[in-house]
Amino acid sequence: GQQLNQSPQSMFIQEGEDVSMNCTSSSIFNTWLWYKQDPGEGPVLLIALYKAGELTSNGRLTAQFGITRKDSFLNISASIPSDVGIYFCAGQLIGDYKLSFGAGTTVTVRA
Amino acid sequence: DSGVTQTPKHLITATGQRVTLRCSPRSGDLSVYWYQQSLDQGLQFLIQYYNGEERAKGNILERFSAQQFPDLHSELNLSSLELGDSALYFCASCRGGTDTQYFGPGTRLTVL
Repeated sequence: GQQLNQSPQSMFIQEGEDVSMNCTSSSIFNTWLWYKQDPGEGPVLLIALYKAGELTSNGRLTAQFGITRKDSFLNISASIPSDVGIYFCAGQLIGDYKLSFGAGTTVTVRA
Repeated sequence: DSGVTQTPKHLITATGQRVTLRCSPRSGDLSVYWYQQSLDQGLQFLIQYYNGEERAKGNILERFSAQQFPDLHSELNLSSLELGDSALYFCASCRGGTDTQYFGPGTRLTVL
């Protein structure tokens, strides 16, 4: 599948801090998705982006579809303990059926 | 709750055995995807079915096969199991072929 470079790989943050992570690709994507996965559970969709430049919020989460269509970022504002988990970006090429996933960003919150 | 169900939740078996994982998509979804998640490979696409027909294949081994039934549930069959097949197996579903995918809770397979 397509290679998605997700960074950072992990982060330790203080409760109340803002968090930012991003994904880049050498390919142009039609759709960018951000998922969160808790241990032993399936990925849960956080935000879906369908247009270049699109900025979408879901509560304290904000994600953007890059203008070049090759990148996306996710911001979490005012982090809380339940934000811990692994965040994955996923991209879908035009006309493609499968998702390509980044390697994930593990977020740990210090109380 | 995504609306996608998977059974069993956990499966422990021995090398050389065969297992079947089951997935029921969200109501109204025609597409089912299977993914494998292992520690070293991350989330990897295996195969997709749309309305009973195979639509796309990814990194699926020949020892693995899948099908989607008329009621749209899907089964992933893993045979001649090896230690390296131990992983989480996820099913995802969506309305059409390229819509947003919603994931089930997964089946954790342990091969001893």
